Amino acid sequence: GQNIDQPTEMTATEGAIVQINCTYQTSGFNGLFWYQQHAGEAPTFLSYNVLDGLEEKGRFSSFLSRSKGYSYLLLKELQMKDSASYLCAVRSFNKFYFGSGTKLNVKP
Amino acid sequence: DAMVIQNPRYQVTQFGKPVTLSCSQTLNHNVMYWYQQKSSQAPKLLFHYYDKDFNNEADTPDNFQSRRPNTSFCFLDIRSPGLGDAAMYLCATSRPDRDHNEQFFGPGTRLTVL
Repeated sequence: GQNIDQPTEMTATEGAIVQINCTYQTSGFNGLFWYQQHAGEAPTFLSYNVLDGLEEKGRFSSFLSRSKGYSYLLLKELQMKDSASYLCAVRSFNKFYFGSGTKLNVKP
Repeated sequence: DAMVIQNPRYQVTQFGKPVTLSCSQTLNHNVMYWYQQKSSQAPKLLFHYYDKDFNNEADTPDNFQSRRPNTSFCFLDIRSPGLGDAAMYLCATSRPDRDHNEQFFGPGTRLTVL
């Protein structure tokens, strides 16, 4: 089966840096995606990794280690609007398997 | 703007009364997906179409059916909704020949079963 694990909830302070981890075990691997989802809304694409290493995109960075089945999403200079759930997803051929999401609470 | 559209945004149905949710896309993507998402849970893949080829997940109940009459439209039919089917239903598209092949999601339909 497919197994994707993320912490359930995290809290951080406005202006700080937070790292959200994701570990996965899937039968195939064609890329790892991070999505942001605000309550009651659809997920929106944040980042993509298919090779090992760090991908940087503004305040967001994502890291992948395929040998360890591990990724993290790094959010810098946190803003209140970053309060949301962050979903890790693995693509295996044409299917996407999601973790349960990490709810990030940003406090003033 | 190219997008994924879902109608209705909110749907209320009665226990056992068939309901159809619709999804349309202007992205011209080959692949369309239906997910079920319950509160604080991962989106669960129900099925997907690659062009006209239908791919059902092994654990998707028979109560859930889907139709894709053309590239732009995809429907989710719930034949006899139960209380446990109350959830957000997300439609997504992707195009495998794109660099990232990320999914584009519609806004979702929140289904309430009375």
